[in-house]
Amino acid sequence: AQSVTQLDSQVPVFEEAPVELRCNYSSSVSVYLFWYVQYPNQGLQLLLKYLSGSTLVKGINGFEAEFNKSQTSFHLRKPSVHISDTAEYFCAVSPILTGGGNKLTFGTGTQLKVEL
Amino acid sequence: NAGVTQTPKFRILKIGQSMTLQCTQDMNHNYMYWYRQDPGMGLKLIYYSVGAGITDKGEVPNGYNVSRSTTEDFPLRLELAAPSQTSVYFCASSREAGLRETQYFGPGTRLLVL
Repeated sequence: AQSVTQLDSQVPVFEEAPVELRCNYSSSVSVYLFWYVQYPNQGLQLLLKYLSGSTLVKGINGFEAEFNKSQTSFHLRKPSVHISDTAEYFCAVSPILTGGGNKLTFGTGTQLKVEL
Repeated sequence: NAGVTQTPKFRILKIGQSMTLQCTQDMNHNYMYWYRQDPGMGLKLIYYSVGAGITDKGEVPNGYNVSRSTTEDFPLRLELAAPSQTSVYFCASSREAGLRETQYFGPGTRLLVL
């Protein structure tokens, strides 16, 4: 089984400041890693994903995340946030399986609030 | 191209009532999913389907039923609503198996059981 921990339930930050949202996971097998964003009253949108290759993954809206296998982490970063980045961010993992299977395990989410 | 659509957006049920949450996708995706999101919690998988006529249980299936008669539709049925089913329900779809395929989410249905 997999589990995902997002230690920060809320992260306030001023506009144009950098931000890091933390994600740690636990799994006995190799996993794919994801970050989703949920704007108010909307469904989840994929920000970025790590499947293989370079451990630094770039996503939409200027976000990036780095996979650290030894620390089992996949922290999300943005060098300069905008007011429109205010949203809830979810980290998720899925075991790498052959023959099918597509089950995501989500963290509890981090509410990013960007202030002027 | 509407993507994944869900109806209704919001519903209040009394304990013991039943209802069906509708989910439709127009992307010809084989895989469809139902999640619930409780306050302060991550999404939990209720049921999923790998194609028309094939469904399987997720992490929290108790109290729910699903069917998949067409590729486009994946309704979620609550037979005897309970307060513990108060949640936000999200439907999602993906083209194929394996997480190389992105899951696309609908806007959600907010359900309150009183």
